[in-house]
Amino acid sequence: AQTVTQSQPEMSVQEAETVTLSCTYDTSENNYYLFWYKQPPSRQMILVIRQEAYKQQNATENRFSVNFQKAAKSFSLKISDSQLGDTAMYFCAFMKHSSGNTPLVFGKGTRLSVIA
Amino acid sequence: GAVVSQHPSWVICKSGTSVKIECRSLDFQATTMFWYRQFPKQSLMLMATSNEGSKATYEQGVEKDKFLINHASLTLSTLTVTSAHPEDSSFYICSATLTGGPGDTQYFGPGTRLTVL
Repeated sequence: AQTVTQSQPEMSVQEAETVTLSCTYDTSENNYYLFWYKQPPSRQMILVIRQEAYKQQNATENRFSVNFQKAAKSFSLKISDSQLGDTAMYFCAFMKHSSGNTPLVFGKGTRLSVIA
Repeated sequence: GAVVSQHPSWVICKSGTSVKIECRSLDFQATTMFWYRQFPKQSLMLMATSNEGSKATYEQGVEKDKFLINHASLTLSTLTVTSAHPEDSSFYICSATLTGGPGDTQYFGPGTRLTVL
């Protein structure tokens, strides 16, 4: 079974600064996807970024980037130029590669507060 | 693209009644949808996997007779909480998998807050 661990329950960052959220996972699979989802106070789950395990290049989406270390089973999220709207719960998630019928395995989440 | 809707967004019902929650993928087809439950300040807990045209697969500890799931079409899955009790009060979220293209990605509905009095 796969597990996802987020070791930072809460973090805070000053507006415009950079913050890194940690995530490690355990799996025996070789083909899989990793995701970061954001859940703001509205509770809508929003996809932030995704990474295919077979790709060595780290995914980036504007101010969001990941540091994917497959051998270490580590998948951290870096948020640059933090904005007040980034305040949210962030979940790291794992999904086996399949034909779309496998669920996500979530970490417990990291609550990020961006301070003005 | 990749929008998932959920209805209703919130519902209050009396103990003993049944409540139906709908999950729709608006701009893509999904052979598989997932239902999650989330308690305050906790992560999402998978309840069941909903497969179009076949029976749902329930996670251990989830009562299939209490949480009825029907995946009637490639864009609609429903969760019915039967004979609801106060302990069923929670936030229920569905997701649907968009396949193909760059790979599989799950998109989430906005959630349904259920309060059982």
